[in-house]
Amino acid sequence: GENVEQHPSTLSVQEGDSAVIKCTYSDSASNYFPWYKQELGKRPQLIIDIRSNVGEKKDQRIAVTLNKTAKHFSLHITETQPEDSAVYFCAASILTGGGNKLTFGTGTQLKVEL
Amino acid sequence: GAVVSQHPSWVICKSGTSVKIECRSLDFQATTMFWYRQFPKQSLMLMATSNEGSKATYEQGVEKDKFLINHASLTLSTLTVTSAHPEDSSFYICSAPPTQSGELFFGEGSRLTVL
Repeated sequence: GENVEQHPSTLSVQEGDSAVIKCTYSDSASNYFPWYKQELGKRPQLIIDIRSNVGEKKDQRIAVTLNKTAKHFSLHITETQPEDSAVYFCAASILTGGGNKLTFGTGTQLKVEL
Repeated sequence: GAVVSQHPSWVICKSGTSVKIECRSLDFQATTMFWYRQFPKQSLMLMATSNEGSKATYEQGVEKDKFLINHASLTLSTLTVTSAHPEDSSFYICSAPPTQSGELFFGEGSRLTVL
C-alpha cells in the first residue's frame, strides 16, 4: 500500500518568514495530493491540493509543488502569521470511481512566533 | 463546501460497554465514507471504508468484529465500538467525498474516552 513520509515533525518560524513542509510517497500510481490543516481538537481542513498532471499550484500565501519523478511534494507558506500555527498533514491517494482513500503523512506541528 | 456532521462530539463510557458514532452527509449523498482514528499527537489512520449497500472494507490490523460499521443509507454511516477498552480511547473522524473528484470533507470528530 501507499506510504507517505513527512518532515519536519516540528517547525518554528518567525512571523513573516516562509515555512516549507516536505512529503514523499511510495506508490507511483498516486495522483491526488491534498494538504490539510488541523487545529487542536478539530477536524482537518483542506487548504490546497494538487493533481499529478500539474507541477505547481498557488493560492494566495500557500503553494504546493509536485515532483512526480522523485515522488515528492511540498507545501510552501509565505508571510506566515500566528494563525497559521497548527498541525499540517500531507496525504496521497489514487482517485478512482469508488472514492478517495487518503494515506496521511505523520504531520508537522508549525509554530509561528511573534 | 459540502457538510459532514458527526455525533456525538465526545463520549465517555465504561470499559466493556459499546459506543455508537454517527456520520451524516448533510447536503450530498455518499456511497462511500471513510472512518479514521487519531491518537494524540499522531496522524490520521484509516480504519475502514464504509460502503452503502455492502460490507465495510477494513484496513489491516483493524478488528471488524470490534469496530462495527453500518452504512444504513446514502447519508448515514455508523461506527460502533464494541466492548470498549481504555486503549480504544481516541479521536474518531469520518469523511466522505461529495463527488468522485477527490476532495474529502471531514466530520467534526468524536473523542472517545473509555474509563
